Amino acid sequence: EAGVAQSPRYKIIEKRQSVAFWCNPISGHATLYWYQQILGQGPKLLIQFQNNGVVDDSQLPKDRFSAERLKGVDSTLKIQPAKLEDSAVYLCASSSYGTNYEQYFGPGTRLTVT
Amino acid sequence: AQSVTQLDSQVPVFEEAPVELRCNYSSSVSVYLFWYVQYPNQGLQLLLKYLSGSTLVESINGFEAEFNKSQTSFHLRKPSVHISDTAEYFCAVSPRGGQGFSFIFGKGTRLLVKP
Repeated sequence: EAGVAQSPRYKIIEKRQSVAFWCNPISGHATLYWYQQILGQGPKLLIQFQNNGVVDDSQLPKDRFSAERLKGVDSTLKIQPAKLEDSAVYLCASSSYGTNYEQYFGPGTRLTVT
Repeated sequence: AQSVTQLDSQVPVFEEAPVELRCNYSSSVSVYLFWYVQYPNQGLQLLLKYLSGSTLVESINGFEAEFNKSQTSFHLRKPSVHISDTAEYFCAVSPRGGQGFSFIFGKGTRLLVKP
């Protein structure tokens, strides 16, 4: 089966610009996650969707980050405006309801904010 | 709240030698425990998990980890490593009883296997 797809793979923007990332989970996976991985650290959960509803967004900086999951399939994560400290790899993962402990990760989008 | 500490940022080891990657966690509730691996230029992959039952869990490629509740540890071991085991290894916990599996990851340990 196809894995989790993410695009773009790399993005370089200037601070105060906006950027959007796209994720297509594994077909049939009800749960979708966005993580932020800063260099030298482990991934940090930003938001978790169950179908198209938000389960957990407690660590999402809502003043600049937003995410949506239309029709419970694809998802987009947006940053507006970007700050230097947003430079990181943004990982998308998905899991099947009932086996949410096994999350399948995409290759990530590496964002550099200059 | 939960936290995960991986005590070593990098572990160099010669091929065919044994290795142990250490992981300790802190939590006020019971947790599930995981090890994920990230090979160069690839996404994270689940290596093994502890949900319940036997405290010793094994992966298909020879790694094992043992849940030690009294020491709040979940160390990863392999008796003989290969060059192909070179990767970043992340320990993660997830609190039991939540709506989903919200992972808290450690900072990772880079395993570097030398010939």
